[in-house]
Formats: sequence, C-alpha cells, structure tokens
Amino acid sequence: QVQLQESGPGLVKPSQTLSLTCTVSGGSISSGHYYWNWIRQPAGKGLEWIGRISTRGTTNYNPSLKSRVTISIDRSKNHFSLNLTSVTAADTAVYYCARAPAMIVLDWGQGTLVTVSS
Amino acid sequence: DIQMTQSPSFVSASVGDRVTITCRASQGIRSWLAWYQQKPGKAPNLLIYAASSLHSGVPSRFSGSGSGTDFTLTINSLQPEDFATYYCQQADSVPFTFGGGTKVEIK
Repeated sequence: QVQLQESGPGLVKPSQTLSLTCTVSGGSISSGHYYWNWIRQPAGKGLEWIGRISTRGTTNYNPSLKSRVTISIDRSKNHFSLNLTSVTAADTAVYYCARAPAMIVLDWGQGTLVTVSS
Repeated sequence: DIQMTQSPSFVSASVGDRVTITCRASQGIRSWLAWYQQKPGKAPNLLIYAASSLHSGVPSRFSGSGSGTDFTLTINSLQPEDFATYYCQQADSVPFTFGGGTKVEIK
C-alpha cells in the first residue's frame, strides 16, 4: 500500500516561495503509470488542483497558478516537490499530495497546513 | 476550465434517510466524474469513479449515476459514519476541477 507524506515549512512570508516535498513509501515513484499531484484546500473551503507530474516527468499545471508553480520529481529520493512563488495570504491552505493513475485520485497524503503571514 | 456546480451545499438528514446530491458540469464530460467523501481534518477518500463505478471497499449504499453534464450521488440508508462533506470532480480534462462540496449533517 503506497503512502504519501507531505513535509515543509508551515509558515511562509508573503512574496516568498512555498516549498513542499511529498515522500512516497511502500512503492517506487518510478513504477507504473501514475501522476503525482498537488491539491490544496483553504480552511472551510473546497479543493483546488494545483498540478501534477507524471512518472516520466511530464507536467500539467492549473492555468490559474501556472506562472507561479513548479512541480518536480526526484526518483533517487522517491519524492516529488512543489514550489509556489510570490505567495500571498490567499495561498494559505492545507496542501495535499496525491497519486492518480489518470485523473482520479486514489491515494492522498494526510495534508500539511501552510500559512502565509509575516 | 470546466466548472462543476454541486447542489445542495448543505443537507440535514437523519440516520436511515436517503440523500441525493447533484453535480452539474459546465460542458459535457461523458462519464468522467468522481465522487469523494471528506471528514473533518482528513484527506478526501474516493467513493465512485466513472460516474457510477463503486471504488473498492466502499459500501453498496453509495451509488452514482449520470453522464454528459448532470450527475447524482445517492446514499441509501444514511449511516452515522456517512456524515461528512462530499465533492464531485470532473476527470475529463486538465485542469481537473471539483465541485464546491455538499456537507451532510445530522438532523
């Protein structure tokens, strides 16, 4: 059973870069045909898909965030990462990493709260 | 982007009730729709994919239907553990998008 775990700073200052890592355990990030996703959820609100990277390294991003988002994969460390630049308070949310065979999310991390504040 | 509109946003129901949640897509998505259940402080869990296929381990009281732009999630005989928030998600095209959620609360 694959497990995903987000890690990174819980507090980021406005205008800085939010960086999170999702470590995959119980399986190789390189095996199978999966997409590795980032999804976020502001407190009390709905879910927003941020973007994804395929096992082969192909990326897709939400157009609303595309200019600020980079998702990368490190097969040697069995993890993938999210960088979101120029953050504002509107980026405060619980960030989830997730695994999807296509566009249906099967496995989620537990989520990590990131607060943007000075 | 495809917009997903869920209704109602809030449902008050009793154990044993039948609950129906609808989801409408702003354009046709064939049967590329999923439903998730989310409990407070937890990540969502997949219930249904391809509009009507029950994910492994999900109780049979959950069912989904629809195609094109209009979809329904039905919970038959609501159980205490079903009180949660439910989201639809279109899986037809990137960026995939979620509905605003339906919170099912105890009457």
